[in-house]
Amino acid sequence: QVHLEQSGAEIKKPGTSVKVSCKAFGYTFTDFVMTWVRQAPGQGLEWMGGISGYNGIINYAPKFQGRVTMTADTSTGTAYMELTSLTSDDTAVYYCARGYNDFFDYWGQGTLVTVSS
Amino acid sequence: DIQMTQSPSALSASVGDRVTITCRASQSISTWLAWYQQKPGKAPNLLISKASTLQSGVPSRFSGSGSGTEFTLTISSLQPDDFATYYCQHYNGYPRTFGQGTKLDIK
Repeated sequence: QVHLEQSGAEIKKPGTSVKVSCKAFGYTFTDFVMTWVRQAPGQGLEWMGGISGYNGIINYAPKFQGRVTMTADTSTGTAYMELTSLTSDDTAVYYCARGYNDFFDYWGQGTLVTVSS
Repeated sequence: DIQMTQSPSALSASVGDRVTITCRASQSISTWLAWYQQKPGKAPNLLISKASTLQSGVPSRFSGSGSGTEFTLTISSLQPDDFATYYCQHYNGYPRTFGQGTKLDIK
């Protein structure tokens, strides 16, 4: 069955970068978009962007443009999200989610990224 | 950007109650709307797509309606497992955006 497995929790210093991975199982990676959504502690869901597994086309949320890079390795069925110039405001759980007609039907377990000096 | 506004932000209800959550879009999104349920410490779970299409495995007490700018999620008879936070999300163009969430707790 469909399953998204994310990399483990990270602790980062302000000003550094983090790269989170999301490996897909149980479906054809190139048939879907992989989306990234984050959730700060006690807050709501925030769409960061998505990358097509088919043609690599990416859409980023304007808020993250210039600071986020999404990539996909179709040979391994793994998507990556790198966020640079981290601040404490980037402390959040980062989720990958499969995009099916642009709603999100399967989600990873989440990766907690803590930014602290 | 299209803004999604949910009301209420929080709601207390009892098992067996009928509950309605509203989601308003800042411009027309046709029926390009999804609803998710999220429990503490867990990833969101898709309940409804295209405003009213119930996902496989979701209990029939959940229903969605609306089009254009106003949408509702209704739970016909609350069960203990339904106490959670609910989010709407549009997918009519970019960026996708979520509502701020509605926390449903036990009265």
